[in-house]
Amino acid sequence: TQLLEQSPQFLSIQEGENLTVYCNSSSVFSSLQWYRQEPGEGPVLLVTVVTGGEVKKLKRLTFQFGDARKDSSLHITAAQPGDTGLYLCAGALVDSGNTPLVFGKGTRLSVIA
Amino acid sequence: NAGVTQTPKFQVLKTGQSMTLQCAQDMNHEYMSWYRQDPGMGLRLIHYSVGAGITDQGEVPNGYNVSRSTTEDFPLRLLSAAPSQTSVYFCASSPAGTLNEQFFGPGTRLTVL
Repeated sequence: TQLLEQSPQFLSIQEGENLTVYCNSSSVFSSLQWYRQEPGEGPVLLVTVVTGGEVKKLKRLTFQFGDARKDSSLHITAAQPGDTGLYLCAGALVDSGNTPLVFGKGTRLSVIA
Repeated sequence: NAGVTQTPKFQVLKTGQSMTLQCAQDMNHEYMSWYRQDPGMGLRLIHYSVGAGITDQGEVPNGYNVSRSTTEDFPLRLLSAAPSQTSVYFCASSPAGTLNEQFFGPGTRLTVL
């Protein structure tokens, strides 16, 4: 059973378009992180959200944590080819203690110039 | 700081061979983890450690051993390689606490024939 479901699995868009990717669960998380992974490299943290309803912006990227802390979304405005990569969400379950983060399977984004 | 380093970057083994994937970090992080990444499966946790001398199993531990004799090093041992262990392996470290960013190494691409 996948604790974090990411959708869509693949997304191919033209430069300049907007897009939203989703990370959903039936479990409650104390925090949720978004990572981006480029080919041949390890994932790199983009943002951490902690409070239900929280919205964080990173240039053209907007991250939102659901009110119930069970889901999150990543919205990219005016996508650029440099946004191409695998976007992973990862969460810390409530009362998980020292257990490492749970990762989703990722959304593979391709932005075509 | 070099961050998280992994060696080797590529490795080809024959079925039944054993080997050790090396991971080291110079950030004095308490937490270290090993993941494998397979197409369509996302990142799956193999083993993790919350400090020197302490290790625990993740989601897919069978066929792998770990030890944590120092804060800096967290090697992953394949006891008897199988084709099902063909994958990309990532080591990660983080300061104590699940709210903190995980820093990933560049990965080791392993092929078992």
